[in-house]
Amino acid sequence: GQNIDQPTEMTATEGAIVQINCTYQTSGFNGLFWYQQHAGEAPTFLSYNVLDGLEEKGRFSSFLSRSKGYSYLLLKELQMKDSASYLCAVRVAPRRGYNKLIFGAGTRLAVHP
Amino acid sequence: DVKVTQSSRYLVKRTGEKVFLECVQDMDHENMFWYRQDPGLGLRLIYFSYDVKMKEKGDIPEGYSVSREKKERFSLILESASTNQTSMYLCASSLEGHSEFFGPGTRLTVL
Repeated sequence: GQNIDQPTEMTATEGAIVQINCTYQTSGFNGLFWYQQHAGEAPTFLSYNVLDGLEEKGRFSSFLSRSKGYSYLLLKELQMKDSASYLCAVRVAPRRGYNKLIFGAGTRLAVHP
Repeated sequence: DVKVTQSSRYLVKRTGEKVFLECVQDMDHENMFWYRQDPGLGLRLIYFSYDVKMKEKGDIPEGYSVSREKKERFSLILESASTNQTSMYLCASSLEGHSEFFGPGTRLTVL
């Protein structure tokens, strides 16, 4: 089966750091994605990990451990505009030649002044 | 700038009606996807297509069909809408091996 778990809700303070965890159990693994989705809007791509380790992109970093089936998204210097849902997704290959994403239910982050 | 557009932002239909949701991308992507998004369940894949006239079932294809006659257009069809198909429908496209770009979504209500 395919299972991706992430916390439902988190709160944090403006200027702080927050870590959103994601654990997965999937049939196959071709990479892990993080998307940001503001209320009423489309998800937008944030980061991609396929090898173990940390990928840094400005205020956002994402970490992957394939042996543990674990990833996290780290958001630094939080701003009010970071209040959004954060979606963890694992890419799997149901058949040779093409891929699809399996999404977690998303983590709703609220940033307070 | 990459763009995925969907024909409607909001749609209200009656039970039993046939519903067409249209998606168009202007990035020459070979892959296109239809998801539905429900609270607490996240995005679930309905159907996807990796080429013109090709389609594959996703995780929840029951009650839906799709059509891809041109590379840029992927249509989702609800043959006979039911109340449990009330949801947010999101279309996405991608190049193979790359991240997916999402459209703005269609919020469908079936009465």
